[in-house]
Amino acid sequence: GAVVSQHPSWVICKSGTSVKIECRSLDFQATTMFWYRQFPKQSLMLMATSNEGSKATYEQGVEKDKFLINHASLTLSTLTVTSAHPEDSSFYICSARDGYRGHTDTQYFGPGTRLTVL
Amino acid sequence: RKEVEQDPGPFNVPEGATVAFNCTYSNSASQSFFWYRQDCRKEPKLLMSVYSSGNEDGRFTAQLNRASQYISLLIRDSKLSDSATYLCVVNKAGTTDSWGKLQFGAGTQVVVTP
Repeated sequence: GAVVSQHPSWVICKSGTSVKIECRSLDFQATTMFWYRQFPKQSLMLMATSNEGSKATYEQGVEKDKFLINHASLTLSTLTVTSAHPEDSSFYICSARDGYRGHTDTQYFGPGTRLTVL
Repeated sequence: RKEVEQDPGPFNVPEGATVAFNCTYSNSASQSFFWYRQDCRKEPKLLMSVYSSGNEDGRFTAQLNRASQYISLLIRDSKLSDSATYLCVVNKAGTTDSWGKLQFGAGTQVVVTP
């Protein structure tokens, strides 16, 4: 149980284009989903917290107009990187928290999306 | 100071040996602690939660020392498949916007050699 999928697993795009990444909880309802970014040899950095039916909250330094998050249902959250630039190239990982069972702080991670902006 | 600090390693461990490493955390209000494992270019996977009394899961033993604010992980009888980066994870706490959030260390790399 507690499977999270992410799509696409990798994407290469041209500078200036927008990229949408989907995160789905497959066998549980995710009251909260989190979006992280990880650069090589660095730790996961939380970008934003996504609660179903409400606006996402962004961490300090993360531009909400550049990283659009939509959490339309209890099983789906999307991150859109708008007007992507090479410095946005990174490993984007979502996680989902199952608030209905188990340890409420446990997060289950999607397989990640490797974004390369040319 | 980083909120969660780990020795980056690498810890080079002969197969079958024991390896142990710590992480320290700065927020004394944190209540939840985890070890995650991350393989190269993959997502983190939960290895184990860390409980106050310490806990063991097969060859893995985790300990928590609240007074000194550190968490340890010990791996016995290391297997080649244990080669990975081990992430120390602590829940954020103490502010109204920290609920449910996790703070990740940069990871400790373990390399098990034949």
